[in-house]
Amino acid sequence: DAGVIQSPRHEVTEMGQEVTLRCKPISGHDYLFWYRQTMMRGLELLIYFNNNVPIDDSGMPEDRFSAKMPNASFSTLKIQPSEPRDSAVYFCASRTGFFEAFFGQGTRLTVV
Amino acid sequence: GIQVEQSPPDLILQEGANSTLRCNFSDSVNNLQWFHQNPWGQLINLFYIPSGTKQNGRLSATTVATERYSLLYISSSQTTDSGVYFCAVEGAGNNRKLIWGLGTSLAVNP
Repeated sequence: DAGVIQSPRHEVTEMGQEVTLRCKPISGHDYLFWYRQTMMRGLELLIYFNNNVPIDDSGMPEDRFSAKMPNASFSTLKIQPSEPRDSAVYFCASRTGFFEAFFGQGTRLTVV
Repeated sequence: GIQVEQSPPDLILQEGANSTLRCNFSDSVNNLQWFHQNPWGQLINLFYIPSGTKQNGRLSATTVATERYSLLYISSSQTTDSGVYFCAVEGAGNNRKLIWGLGTSLAVNP
């Protein structure tokens, strides 16, 4: 398996634009997590899914953020409208059951 | 909720030295993982170790669940070991959230 795949690797966008981040989890994994990492706040869990169903979205900062998982092999994290304070590295991770989580390489988002 | 504390926060080593990183957690856990975030930002799995001892090359880890701590040993450190080491735990129960420590930032000098 190629591991967790995220795209794009880098994204630069202007304030107010819509941004969509994508994630393909490891095949067979039933949990998918979206994280955000900044220098000030470290790694923050935004939302996680189990069997494509959102279980805990308490970390989603505000209504501008939304996440979907239409099937077991794809998830998106959307920011609309984007703001400079959304600049961060966004990670997707997947796991099965109690076992270890594996992370994608991240998407570095810069909002100017 | 569970608290995770890592120590030391920063560490500087000469190549070839050994080191021990510690992770303390405040409650029972189902899952404990050690990660290495390299200077390029990639999060790399080191160990899945809710209890016991594991070894992988120059790295080994021990978790004593009853005493609520885990140790990561790095022997014969190399410059490629530089980066941030994170401990993350999942509490007992149904929630699958990983709770993260703040990390140990390691610099290995040649």
